[in-house]
Amino acid sequence: DAGVIQSPRHEVTEMGQEVTLRCKPISGHDYLFWYRQTMMRGLELLIYFNNNVPIDDSGMPEDRFSAKMPNASFSTLKIQPSEPRDSAVYFCASSFLGGTREDTQYFGPGTRLTVL
Amino acid sequence: DQQVKQNSPSLSVQEGRISILNCDYTNSMFDYFLWYKKYPAEGPTFLISISSIKDKNEDGRFTVFLNKSAKHLSLHIVPSQPGDSAVYFCAATKGGFGGNQFYFGTGTSLTVIP
Repeated sequence: DAGVIQSPRHEVTEMGQEVTLRCKPISGHDYLFWYRQTMMRGLELLIYFNNNVPIDDSGMPEDRFSAKMPNASFSTLKIQPSEPRDSAVYFCASSFLGGTREDTQYFGPGTRLTVL
Repeated sequence: DQQVKQNSPSLSVQEGRISILNCDYTNSMFDYFLWYKKYPAEGPTFLISISSIKDKNEDGRFTVFLNKSAKHLSLHIVPSQPGDSAVYFCAATKGGFGGNQFYFGTGTSLTVIP
């Protein structure tokens, strides 16, 4: 398997522009997570989905952030309008809860977002 | 509020010596703990985990210790190798199968000096 795929790897945009980050989870995984990595807060969970349904979006910082999962193989995280403080690395991760507690999350390579 | 804390942002160790990375948590409901390793420009990868029913789990050079009464866990790497230089994240999760939501610390950057 190719693992979790994220695109783009790098995104530079100007304040006020819309940004869309994309994620393809590992085939067969039923959970998908969006994280943001910052120096101050480490890996911060933004939202997660189970079987394409959003379960907990309490980590989404503001209404400017939205996420969708239209099918089992694709998810997007959108920021509109973007602000300089949104600059961070955004990770997507997926997992499969097969009934054991030994499950873990598999991360993509991340998207480094810079908002000027 | 940060429920999982890694108070040492960085650590330097000589090759061949022991590396000890520490992690504290505040939520007594956490029952499963993990360590992830992250190289630059890559996503975190799973390293080792421990259930709250154990106080030690070992995998090769990596051992995780859990002290539930102190709400503290540590990762020991023996012997440390230059390839171990990376950022290490501690994570914790609660019981049940309701989503596998992980709470991560801020990470510790380990440098192993040849």
